[in-house]
Amino acid sequence: AAGVIQSPRHLIKEKRETATLKCYPIPRHDTVYWYQQGPGQDPQFLISFYEKMQSDKGSIPDRFSAQQFSDYHSELNMSSLELGDSALYFCASSLGGLGLPPGADTQYFGPGTRLTVL
Amino acid sequence: KQEVTQIPAALSVPEGENLVLNCSFTDSAIYNLQWFRQDPGKGLTSLLLIQSSQREQTSGRLNASLDKSSGRSTLYIAASQPGDSATYLCAVIYNQGGKLIFGQGTELSVKP
Repeated sequence: AAGVIQSPRHLIKEKRETATLKCYPIPRHDTVYWYQQGPGQDPQFLISFYEKMQSDKGSIPDRFSAQQFSDYHSELNMSSLELGDSALYFCASSLGGLGLPPGADTQYFGPGTRLTVL
Repeated sequence: KQEVTQIPAALSVPEGENLVLNCSFTDSAIYNLQWFRQDPGKGLTSLLLIQSSQREQTSGRLNASLDKSSGRSTLYIAASQPGDSATYLCAVIYNQGGKLIFGQGTELSVKP
């Protein structure tokens, strides 16, 4: 079965650089979530999109922005990178259609993008 | 504040033992609850989803229960195997937006 695809899998950046993380949800899934997991930490919710509109927002820095495109893939843009941004970034997708609200269905996670800021 | 707590933080058991992982949440007005497994440095694998109207879900050797009134969920693993060794995370959704609030996880080690 198709899974959530994230690219790149690994990314190394210098401080103050920018990074773009991409997420391709499971086919037919219309809801995408972004989470950040620091070393030894549990995942923290950043932002979510349902049918290309932002549906919820968590502790996402103003330096970060995200969007969902017409094909439902999503991109997380990170600017002015800081050492503390080094983490594993997960994308998850779920099916929120067929009358179901975004939170009703199982969230399926991608393998993550490991971002290292030097 | 909506918080999720998992006890114990780590657990080591011999192969074949049945075990229970605990998850508690401060606000009982949850939408649903999801259990995940995470291997070191890897992504999260969804194990079970329990809707707020349900009391339990089963998948193979796994059984998850939900008691909203007491703010608790348990994950029961039967006949544990070394391949079950991983960190198990409990996550709660409080609204229809789908934001998952995670516990800190229980690191399980099953010894052969």
